[in-house]
Formats: sequence, structure tokens, C-alpha cells
Amino acid sequence: GQSLEQPSEVTAVEGAIVQINCTYQTSGFYGLSWYQQHDGGAPTFLSYNALDGLEETGRFSSFLSRSDSYGYLLLQELQMKDSASYFCAVAVYNQGGKLIFGQGTELSVKP
Amino acid sequence: NAGVTQTPKFQVLKTGQSMTLQCAQDMNHEYMSWYRQDPGMGLRLIHYSVGAGITDQGEVPNGYNVSRSTTEDFPLRLLSAAPSQTSVYFCASRRDRSNTGELFFGEGSRLTVL
Repeated sequence: GQSLEQPSEVTAVEGAIVQINCTYQTSGFYGLSWYQQHDGGAPTFLSYNALDGLEETGRFSSFLSRSDSYGYLLLQELQMKDSASYFCAVAVYNQGGKLIFGQGTELSVKP
Repeated sequence: NAGVTQTPKFQVLKTGQSMTLQCAQDMNHEYMSWYRQDPGMGLRLIHYSVGAGITDQGEVPNGYNVSRSTTEDFPLRLLSAAPSQTSVYFCASRRDRSNTGELFFGEGSRLTVL
């Protein structure tokens, strides 16, 4: 089976840097993805790590270490609009690459 | 492009009623899936499909049926609704089974079972 663990809540101030961790237990996966969801709306894709290391997309970066069964999403120069829920997900081997999600981290950005 | 379209957006059912949530995508995506989202539970996979005529179970398939007769459509059927099926349902698609990165989500269908 697969399971992913994330902190349920994180709070940070505007302009700061925040890291949202994701630890996982899975028998095998293609890569680790991150999604953002505002106020229960449609989740939107942020980043994908197929290989170990850091992927950077503007203010957002994502990291994967398969040996540590660990990844994180790094948000820099936080803005109020970054207040949202963030989900990590793994695409599972040999099952059509189906995506299994973590329970999500609610990020609150304070002025 | 419309992307992924879900209907209805809101629905109230009585226990024991059946209904179908519709999902259609116009991106020629092979892979389609259904998730339910409950407070504190994240997104849980109900069923998925890697192409027309092929479906498989996800994490929480009980009480739901799916079919995939065309590439575009992936309806989710509730056979006999129960209050435990009160949830927000999201349909999502991806280009193909090998493109394991980006899922495109619909806006969600909010279902209440009384």
C-alpha cells in the first residue's frame, strides 16, 4: 500500500520562507507531485519530481530524496494569496500511474 | 478549452437514491480518475481509468461504479446513496498513463445525502 504524511497546518508571515514536508511509504512510484487548493476549489498542479533533487519554478521549489522517503515543497517570498492547502502525491508503479494523495497541509500566511 | 467539466455542481439526495456524476474532458486525455474529499482526509481515489474500456479500483471504491465507453467521458454512479457518501467529488484527467506529473481537475461536485 501507500501512505503519505504531511503536517496538517503551517503558519508563516508574509515575505518569509516556508517548507512543507512529505514523508511517504510506498512500494514503488514514478515521482512526487505537489498540488495547491484554494478554499475547496479545484486543486492545481505545482510541481513534479521524477528524480532526486531540487526542482525550481519561480517562488516555489520542490525536493525529493528517495533514499530518505522524503520530499518537501519550499515557498519563498510568501504572499497572502499563498494561503491555501497543499497536497503531495505519488504516482504508483504498475497501477496505471494512479496518484495517491497525502492529507494536505493548510498554510496560513499572516501579514 | 473547457478542460474537465463536472455536472452537477451541487446535488442533494435521500438515502437509497441513485445518481450519476458526469465528467467530460476535451483534451484527449487517456487517463481519468475520481476522487472524494472530506475534511481532514485529503483526496482519496475512488476509481480510475487508463483508457476507454479499462477501469480499476482506487482506495475507496465501495458503493461506486464507473465505466469508460469513450475517451472523453467517465461517469461515476452511486448505486444506493448513504450519508457516508456526503462529500465533494473531483474528476481529474492526465494525458496518458506514462505522463505521471500533472493532473487536471474539474471544479468539483458537492453531494449531500440525507
